[in-house]
Amino acid sequence: GQNIDQPTEMTATEGAIVQINCTYQTSGFNGLFWYQQHAGEAPTFLSYNVLDGLEEKGRFSSFLSRSKGYSYLLLKELQMKDSASYLCAALDSNYQLIWGAGTKLIIKP
Amino acid sequence: GAVVSQHPSWVICKSGTSVKIECRSLDFQATTMFWYRQFPKQSLMLMATSNEGSKATYEQGVEKDKFLINHASLTLSTLTVTSAHPEDSSFYICSGRDLGSSYNEQFFGPGTRLTVL
Repeated sequence: GQNIDQPTEMTATEGAIVQINCTYQTSGFNGLFWYQQHAGEAPTFLSYNVLDGLEEKGRFSSFLSRSKGYSYLLLKELQMKDSASYLCAALDSNYQLIWGAGTKLIIKP
Repeated sequence: GAVVSQHPSWVICKSGTSVKIECRSLDFQATTMFWYRQFPKQSLMLMATSNEGSKATYEQGVEKDKFLINHASLTLSTLTVTSAHPEDSSFYICSGRDLGSSYNEQFFGPGTRLTVL
């Protein structure tokens, strides 16, 4: 079956760095997305990886290893507004998004 | 990024009534639109995939006669929750896929919060 695993909740301190991991098993693979979702709002796009390696975009970076079925989202210089759920989603061979349950990130001052 | 709108943003209705939710892609053509449901503290659950001009494909466990989906144009899809019951109360989110996007990305609407009394 298809499956996405990511931690349920993480806590970090304002100004610090946090890494959110995601492992996936899908029927075929056409890329991996990370979305940010604040409570009561729809998800917003953060990143997309289809090739191995690190993609950096400002304070956020995303890494992919296709051979390991593994990705992580790295958030630097954490701000209070980064408190949200972070959703990992893999695009399968039918271009359907398979969603993880999300990681709730709590930022403390 | 591309913009998707949803209407209404929130709705409260009595049990047994029907509710229609509209999803519009404002600046791109969405040949495929997706409808999701999200219960509190849970992840998105795909309900159905709709392709313009054809019948929607429903996920296992989703009643197609209860959740009617129409995708009549490249910019509009509607979800009608028929004979709504309190257990249908949820956050409904649509997304449109822009084939012009290099990522095959889905752009999400802001969501519709449905409360059935």
